[in-house]
Amino acid sequence: DGGITQSPKYLFRKEGQNVTLSCEQNLNHDAMYWYRQDPGQGLRLIYYSQIVNDFQKGDIAEGYSVSREKKESFPLTVTSAQKNPTAFYLCASSIGFESGSPLHFGNGTRLTVT
Amino acid sequence: AQSVAQPEDQVNVAEGNPLTVKCTYSVSGNPYLFWYVQYPNRGLQFLLKYITGDNLVKGSYGFEAEFNKSQTSFHLKKPSALVSDSALYFCAVRDLLGGGYNKLIFGAGTRLAVHP
Repeated sequence: DGGITQSPKYLFRKEGQNVTLSCEQNLNHDAMYWYRQDPGQGLRLIYYSQIVNDFQKGDIAEGYSVSREKKESFPLTVTSAQKNPTAFYLCASSIGFESGSPLHFGNGTRLTVT
Repeated sequence: AQSVAQPEDQVNVAEGNPLTVKCTYSVSGNPYLFWYVQYPNRGLQFLLKYITGDNLVKGSYGFEAEFNKSQTSFHLKKPSALVSDSALYFCAVRDLLGGGYNKLIFGAGTRLAVHP
């Protein structure tokens, strides 16, 4: 079955450590996205990528970094510069970057930083 | 500024009754509107979208939504609620400042609780 795989499901880190969240898709989608979800705030866009080797900052990119070396993969690194990293992180993809293409989401990674 | 609002944090409905989850938007130009559903500890699932055409849009799991341009609303509806419909529902609108890219602005979400 095609889909988006995020790993791990739960992640615990100490403050000051960088951590990388994995996102892999086998849908052959060109566009990929990272969202952050906090209770009562909906989803906020961190980074997005339309095509391999290209990515753009979203609304809350500070303290995060990404890479897009392969079409299937879009890992997110949460750096120590992110002041409030504890959250639920969602990766998504869409067929293209044309407006209106539905997003397909992974099941998320819950990151807890203490 | 472009925005989307879901005025209700929670909606409670009895099983078998009709349900409505409200969404209003503020954008310049023609809106592209979406509804997504999220079950606990899972990602979001696409339900339906409005881009153009008929104001009544039908989607997955018996849901539908009505686009009302004069009221800038896109309410989600279902004629008969099921307990399994209990979840978190998100309305989203295309970010027209996104340079044509598929960027969405999400509402804060509405928790739907369907009681037996």
